[in-house]
Amino acid sequence: DTAVSQTPKYLVTQMGNDKSIKCEQNLGHDTMYWYKQDSKKFLKIMFSYNNKELIINETVPNRFSPKSPDKAHLNLHINSLELGDSAVYFCASSQDQGLESTDTQYFGPGTRLTVL
Amino acid sequence: DQQVKQNSPSLSVQEGRISILNCDYTNSMFDYFLWYKKYPAEGPTFLISISSIKDKNEDGRFTVFLNKSAKHLSLHIVPSQPGDSAVYFCAARLQGAQKLVFGQGTRLTINP
Repeated sequence: DTAVSQTPKYLVTQMGNDKSIKCEQNLGHDTMYWYKQDSKKFLKIMFSYNNKELIINETVPNRFSPKSPDKAHLNLHINSLELGDSAVYFCASSQDQGLESTDTQYFGPGTRLTVL
Repeated sequence: DQQVKQNSPSLSVQEGRISILNCDYTNSMFDYFLWYKKYPAEGPTFLISISSIKDKNEDGRFTVFLNKSAKHLSLHIVPSQPGDSAVYFCAARLQGAQKLVFGQGTRLTINP
């Protein structure tokens, strides 16, 4: 009965490869997000989707492409992986677009990506 | 240009005492502030929040204080319990925007 799930939990890959991280939420939420936690531990938003529509795109390289097949899923595809992409990536969801004070974001467990 | 900062990377407190976690921000357009708690190998979970029109919000053992003039907020946990040992993230929301801006977290350790 996991609310927000991500796969895989760990991902180790070589520079230049293409990889995907999957995210699913069973909370019936309309909005989903991808965050990156960098080496300095800051959690920074990358994208948000509301009902499969892109809402936020935070100056992320276009090697990163989110894909939302339906409102319960938001997958992250990364092309031509670079060393600097190594980080923990968190998926999250919220009922609405986060504009209401009661609209809490629920996070997945994270995917630790290591690029060698 | 980190707009939300938690300047203490770690804090150690004895069980039963008060834990105080601090957070500073620079953008006066933030209208809502949140604290998240994170255990190892898990995602952050929402703990408590406060609107910019208030200066205090209390929920059980957790109280968040907001000082707008100083652009500072703090989370008080009293009494501290071993299960409170975790990383605590402060986050802020820009007025009219959806995204949250997070600090880098403070690792709280409660010693028995």
